[in-house]
Amino acid sequence: EAGVAQSPRYKIIEKRQSVAFWCNPISGHATLYWYQQILGQGPKLLIQFQNNGVVDDSQLPKDRFSAERLKGVDSTLKIQPAKLEDSAVYLCASSLGTGFEQYFGPGTRLTVT
Amino acid sequence: DAKTTQPPSMDCAEGRAANLPCNHSTISGNEYVYWYRQIHSQGPQYIIHGLKNNETNEMASLIITEDRKSSTLILPHATLRDTAVYYCIVRTQGGSEKLVFGKGTKLTVNP
Repeated sequence: EAGVAQSPRYKIIEKRQSVAFWCNPISGHATLYWYQQILGQGPKLLIQFQNNGVVDDSQLPKDRFSAERLKGVDSTLKIQPAKLEDSAVYLCASSLGTGFEQYFGPGTRLTVT
Repeated sequence: DAKTTQPPSMDCAEGRAANLPCNHSTISGNEYVYWYRQIHSQGPQYIIHGLKNNETNEMASLIITEDRKSSTLILPHATLRDTAVYYCIVRTQGGSEKLVFGKGTKLTVNP
């Protein structure tokens, strides 16, 4: 069974530029999550989708971050404009449904200079 | 904020059992204890979860105290590949409550 796929694996941008991350969840998983993990800390949930609807985006900085899952399968997370403090690993996870075990992708390491 | 307390780091000799403690003194009756681990440069990986009975799977055993205020994750025969950050999380099962990760315990397995 294929796992959660993410791309790119690494990205370096300058502050005020924009960037987008892509995630393809495990087939059949209805719930998709985006997490931000700053160095030395545990992952923090940014947004949770159930199919193509948003369940929780309470910790998403909506002035600069956006995410979509238009067809209820893969998803993109965008940052525009990026700030230095956005340097982190962005993890995508999926699960069969809300409350089930989450399976994580390898993450995208973003460096903002 | 995370509802659990874990030591920041632990060491274990290869081949020995690794016992990782977790304190969750404010756990409520419908909350489960979940364990995930994160190997360097990878995403977190689900290990095991339990409510009040001890649980065992191919990866680990979970021992929960009778009062449910603490638990221990046991890796019976630690290998170098078990070096990782281990996260203990409490949450309801089946609900919409999100996973809240603390800083976890960095387990280093030494040869």
